[in-house]
Amino acid sequence: ETGVTQTPRHLVMGMTNKKSLKCEQHLGHNAMYWYKQSAKKPLELMFVYNFKEQTENNSVPSRFSPECPNSSHLFLHLHTLQPEDSALYLCASSQDPDEQYFGPGTRLTVT
Amino acid sequence: GENVEQHPSTLSVQEGDSAVIKCTYSDSASNYFPWYKQELGKGPQLIIDIRSNVGEKKDQRIAVTLNKTAKHFSLHITETQPEDSAVYFCAASDTGNQFYFGTGTSLTVIP
Repeated sequence: ETGVTQTPRHLVMGMTNKKSLKCEQHLGHNAMYWYKQSAKKPLELMFVYNFKEQTENNSVPSRFSPECPNSSHLFLHLHTLQPEDSALYLCASSQDPDEQYFGPGTRLTVT
Repeated sequence: GENVEQHPSTLSVQEGDSAVIKCTYSDSASNYFPWYKQELGKGPQLIIDIRSNVGEKKDQRIAVTLNKTAKHFSLHITETQPEDSAVYFCAASDTGNQFYFGTGTSLTVIP
Protein backbone atom coordinates (compact mmCIF):
# COMPACT_ATOMS: atom_id res chain seq x y z
CA GLU A 1 0.00 0.00 0.00
CA THR A 2 2.69 2.51 0.91
CA GLY A 3 6.19 2.89 -0.44
CA VAL A 4 7.31 4.65 2.74
CA THR A 5 8.26 2.51 5.75
CA GLN A 6 9.10 3.62 9.25
CA THR A 7 10.72 1.80 12.16
CA PRO A 8 10.08 1.33 14.94
CA ARG A 9 6.29 1.69 14.93
CA HIS A 10 6.23 2.29 18.67
CA LEU A 11 8.93 3.64 20.98
CA VAL A 12 8.99 4.36 24.69
CA MET A 13 12.03 6.20 25.98
CA GLY A 14 13.17 7.97 29.10
CA MET A 15 14.23 11.57 29.05
CA THR A 16 17.92 10.65 29.29
CA ASN A 17 17.87 8.07 26.49
CA LYS A 18 19.16 8.37 22.96
CA LYS A 19 17.21 6.71 20.18
CA SER A 20 16.76 7.01 16.43
CA LEU A 21 13.78 6.80 14.13
CA LYS A 22 14.28 5.42 10.65
CA CYS A 23 12.41 6.10 7.43
CA GLU A 24 12.90 4.47 4.06
CA GLN A 25 11.15 5.28 0.80
CA HIS A 26 10.98 2.87 -2.13
CA LEU A 27 9.41 5.33 -4.58
CA GLY A 28 12.49 6.92 -6.14
CA HIS A 29 11.57 10.31 -4.72
CA ASN A 30 14.11 13.06 -4.20
CA ALA A 31 12.59 14.83 -1.18
CA MET A 32 11.92 13.52 2.32
CA TYR A 33 10.19 15.11 5.29
CA TRP A 34 9.72 14.69 9.04
CA TYR A 35 6.42 15.78 10.60
CA LYS A 36 5.18 15.76 14.19
CA GLN A 37 1.53 14.92 14.77
CA SER A 38 0.05 15.75 18.17
CA ALA A 39 -3.54 15.34 19.27
CA LYS A 40 -5.86 18.15 18.19
CA LYS A 41 -3.05 20.06 16.47
CA PRO A 42 -2.17 20.41 12.79
CA LEU A 43 0.68 18.38 11.41
CA GLU A 44 3.89 20.25 12.08
CA LEU A 45 6.63 20.16 9.47
CA MET A 46 9.99 19.64 11.18
CA PHE A 47 12.62 19.03 8.49
CA VAL A 48 12.86 18.80 4.72
CA TYR A 49 15.61 17.23 2.64
CA ASN A 50 15.95 17.67 -1.11
CA PHE A 51 18.54 15.49 -2.81
CA LYS A 52 20.06 14.74 0.64
CA GLU A 53 20.43 18.43 1.46
CA GLN A 54 18.46 19.93 4.33
CA THR A 55 16.36 22.77 2.98
CA GLU A 56 13.95 23.45 5.85
CA ASN A 57 14.31 23.43 9.61
CA ASN A 58 11.21 24.85 11.21
CA SER A 59 12.70 26.04 14.49
CA VAL A 60 12.96 22.51 15.82
CA PRO A 61 14.80 22.09 19.16
CA SER A 62 18.32 20.73 18.88
CA ARG A 63 17.31 17.60 20.81
CA PHE A 64 15.95 16.46 17.42
CA SER A 65 18.72 15.83 14.91
CA PRO A 66 17.95 14.67 11.36
CA GLU A 67 20.23 12.73 9.07
CA CYS A 68 19.77 11.92 5.40
CA PRO A 69 22.58 9.68 4.11
CA ASN A 70 20.94 9.21 0.70
CA SER A 71 17.69 10.09 -1.01
CA SER A 72 16.03 6.85 0.14
CA HIS A 73 16.79 6.98 3.87
CA LEU A 74 16.02 9.51 6.56
CA PHE A 75 16.75 9.32 10.27
CA LEU A 76 15.64 11.35 13.25
CA HIS A 77 18.04 11.11 16.16
CA LEU A 78 16.51 11.81 19.57
CA HIS A 79 18.26 12.76 22.81
CA THR A 80 17.21 14.23 26.14
CA LEU A 81 13.59 14.55 25.04
CA GLN A 82 10.79 16.01 27.12
CA PRO A 83 7.38 14.46 27.87
CA GLU A 84 5.76 17.06 25.57
CA ASP A 85 7.71 15.51 22.69
CA SER A 86 5.45 12.47 22.89
CA ALA A 87 3.61 12.32 19.57
CA LEU A 88 3.29 10.46 16.28
CA TYR A 89 6.31 11.18 14.07
CA LEU A 90 5.54 10.88 10.40
CA CYS A 91 7.95 10.60 7.52
CA ALA A 92 6.92 11.54 3.97
CA SER A 93 8.53 11.64 0.56
CA SER A 94 7.76 13.31 -2.74
CA GLN A 95 9.16 13.68 -6.22
CA ASP A 96 7.72 17.13 -6.73
CA PRO A 97 7.28 19.62 -3.91
CA ASP A 98 3.67 18.44 -3.77
CA GLU A 99 2.00 15.00 -3.69
CA GLN A 100 3.63 13.77 -0.52
CA TYR A 101 3.39 10.13 0.44
CA PHE A 102 3.40 9.38 4.16
CA GLY A 103 4.68 6.43 6.13
CA PRO A 104 2.67 4.84 8.96
CA GLY A 105 4.48 6.83 11.65
CA THR A 106 6.34 6.07 14.88
CA ARG A 107 4.30 6.49 18.06
CA LEU A 108 6.78 7.99 20.54
CA THR A 109 6.18 8.14 24.27
CA VAL A 110 8.67 9.98 26.47
CA THR A 111 8.49 9.03 30.14
CA GLY B 1 2.74 32.67 7.21
CA GLU B 2 -0.18 30.58 6.02
CA ASN B 3 -3.06 29.73 8.37
CA VAL B 4 -5.42 26.89 7.49
CA GLU B 5 -8.67 26.41 9.39
CA GLN B 6 -10.79 23.30 9.05
CA HIS B 7 -14.41 22.66 10.04
CA PRO B 8 -16.09 20.73 11.48
CA SER B 9 -13.77 18.90 13.84
CA THR B 10 -16.19 15.96 14.05
CA LEU B 11 -18.89 14.86 11.63
CA SER B 12 -21.35 11.96 11.78
CA VAL B 13 -23.49 10.99 8.81
CA GLN B 14 -25.78 8.11 7.95
CA GLU B 15 -24.50 5.65 5.40
CA GLY B 16 -25.48 6.81 1.94
CA ASP B 17 -25.64 10.48 2.89
CA SER B 18 -23.13 13.11 1.78
CA ALA B 19 -20.36 14.61 3.90
CA VAL B 20 -18.82 18.04 3.43
CA ILE B 21 -15.66 19.33 5.08
CA LYS B 22 -14.55 22.92 4.66
CA CYS B 23 -11.19 24.67 4.91
CA THR B 24 -10.10 28.26 4.65
CA TYR B 25 -6.61 29.60 4.04
CA SER B 26 -5.03 33.01 4.44
CA ASP B 27 -2.10 33.22 2.00
CA SER B 28 -3.10 34.09 -1.56
CA ALA B 29 0.22 32.61 -2.76
CA SER B 30 -1.02 29.11 -1.89
CA ASN B 31 -1.83 27.27 -5.09
CA TYR B 32 -1.93 23.57 -4.23
CA PHE B 33 -4.57 22.05 -1.94
CA PRO B 34 -4.38 18.33 -1.11
CA TRP B 35 -6.76 16.32 1.05
CA TYR B 36 -5.55 13.42 3.14
CA LYS B 37 -7.39 10.54 4.80
CA GLN B 38 -5.87 9.02 7.92
CA GLU B 39 -7.15 5.74 9.29
CA LEU B 40 -6.38 4.51 12.76
CA GLY B 41 -2.77 3.36 13.07
CA LYS B 42 -1.80 4.59 9.61
CA GLY B 43 -0.20 7.62 8.09
CA PRO B 44 -2.19 10.15 6.05
CA GLN B 45 -2.98 9.09 2.48
CA LEU B 46 -3.56 11.53 -0.34
CA ILE B 47 -7.09 11.08 -1.68
CA ILE B 48 -7.54 14.07 -3.95
CA ASP B 49 -5.91 17.40 -4.66
CA ILE B 50 -6.65 20.56 -6.57
CA ARG B 51 -4.53 23.32 -7.99
CA SER B 52 -5.47 26.96 -8.14
CA ASN B 53 -6.05 26.98 -11.89
CA VAL B 54 -9.22 24.87 -11.55
CA GLY B 55 -12.36 25.31 -9.51
CA GLU B 56 -13.49 21.73 -9.11
CA LYS B 57 -12.13 18.21 -9.38
CA LYS B 58 -13.96 14.94 -9.03
CA ASP B 59 -12.85 11.34 -8.54
CA GLN B 60 -15.73 8.89 -8.24
CA ARG B 61 -17.51 9.66 -4.95
CA ILE B 62 -15.03 12.35 -3.91
CA ALA B 63 -14.94 15.92 -5.14
CA VAL B 64 -13.08 19.05 -4.14
CA THR B 65 -14.07 22.63 -4.89
CA LEU B 66 -11.89 25.71 -4.66
CA ASN B 67 -12.91 29.36 -4.37
CA LYS B 68 -9.73 31.40 -4.74
CA THR B 69 -11.45 34.71 -4.21
CA ALA B 70 -12.90 33.66 -0.87
CA LYS B 71 -9.84 31.53 -0.05
CA HIS B 72 -11.77 28.42 0.82
CA PHE B 73 -11.92 24.87 -0.45
CA SER B 74 -14.14 21.94 0.41
CA LEU B 75 -14.17 18.16 0.28
CA HIS B 76 -17.39 16.46 -0.73
CA ILE B 77 -17.99 12.75 -0.24
CA THR B 78 -21.19 11.36 -1.71
CA GLU B 79 -22.92 8.04 -0.98
CA THR B 80 -20.82 7.59 2.14
CA GLN B 81 -19.85 4.11 3.26
CA PRO B 82 -18.60 2.85 6.65
CA GLU B 83 -15.08 2.51 5.24
CA ASP B 84 -15.06 6.27 4.68
CA SER B 85 -14.85 6.67 8.47
CA ALA B 86 -11.46 8.25 9.22
CA VAL B 87 -9.80 11.57 9.99
CA TYR B 88 -9.55 13.90 7.01
CA PHE B 89 -6.98 16.68 6.71
CA CYS B 90 -6.83 19.57 4.31
CA ALA B 91 -3.59 21.36 3.49
CA ALA B 92 -2.36 24.35 1.55
CA SER B 93 0.98 24.90 -0.13
CA ASP B 94 2.63 27.33 -2.48
CA THR B 95 4.32 24.26 -4.05
CA GLY B 96 7.48 24.96 -2.16
CA ASN B 97 8.37 22.56 0.60
CA GLN B 98 6.06 24.14 3.17
CA PHE B 99 2.68 22.49 3.72
CA TYR B 100 0.18 23.93 6.17
CA PHE B 101 -2.38 21.47 7.50
CA GLY B 102 -5.79 21.89 9.05
CA THR B 103 -6.56 20.35 12.43
CA GLY B 104 -8.50 17.45 10.95
CA THR B 105 -12.11 16.26 10.78
CA SER B 106 -13.09 12.97 12.34
CA LEU B 107 -15.77 11.50 10.07
CA THR B 108 -18.00 8.68 11.29
CA VAL B 109 -20.34 6.97 8.86
CA ILE B 110 -23.14 5.23 10.72
CA PRO B 111 -24.32 1.99 9.08
